[in-house]
Amino acid sequence: GAVVSQHPSRVICKSGTSVKIECRSLDFQATTMFWYRQFPKQSLMLMATSNEGSKATYEQGVEKDKFLINHASLTLSTLTVTSAHPEDSSFYICSATTGGEYNEQFFGPGTRLTVL
Amino acid sequence: SQKIEQNSEALNIQEGKTATLTCNYTNYSPAYLQWYRQDPGRGPVFLLLIRENEKEKRKERLKVTFDTTLKQSLFHITASQPADSATYLCALTGGGNKLTFGTGTQLKVEL
Repeated sequence: GAVVSQHPSRVICKSGTSVKIECRSLDFQATTMFWYRQFPKQSLMLMATSNEGSKATYEQGVEKDKFLINHASLTLSTLTVTSAHPEDSSFYICSATTGGEYNEQFFGPGTRLTVL
Repeated sequence: SQKIEQNSEALNIQEGKTATLTCNYTNYSPAYLQWYRQDPGRGPVFLLLIRENEKEKRKERLKVTFDTTLKQSLFHITASQPADSATYLCALTGGGNKLTFGTGTQLKVEL
């Protein structure tokens, strides 16, 4: 149980285009989903926290107009990178939690974004 | 400022030996600490969670200790195998349900 999927796993796009990444909890309802970004040889950096039906909470330094997050249901959150540029190339990972005692997070497999 | 430090140098050990990884933190008072495994190009996989009032936690070949005085956690893999080769991340909750990750330590288990 507690499986989280992401789609697509890899995407290559031209500079200036927008890219949407989906995160789904397959066998549980997630009260909260999180979006992280990971650059090579670095740790996961939290970008935003997303709760179903409400606006996402962004971490300091993350542009909310550039990284649009929609949490339409308890099993789906989407991250849209708008007007992507080469510096947005990174590994994007989502996680989901059921809000149990320890708020254990279950991570998706990640999406590799390459902006040319 | 808050900081989580893991040894950035890769740890190379021989198969069958015990691997010990370290996680040190400053300016945190975490209620609990978690360890994850991450393989290249994949998301982290949860391994173990230890609460602040627990000294030690075990799961199969894994053991985690948590010393809130030293502000340190040690992660041990006994009887290591080449399949244990991966990057291991420690993570703390600074507040609410947000996790902050260390940079991870890469473990290589050689035959």
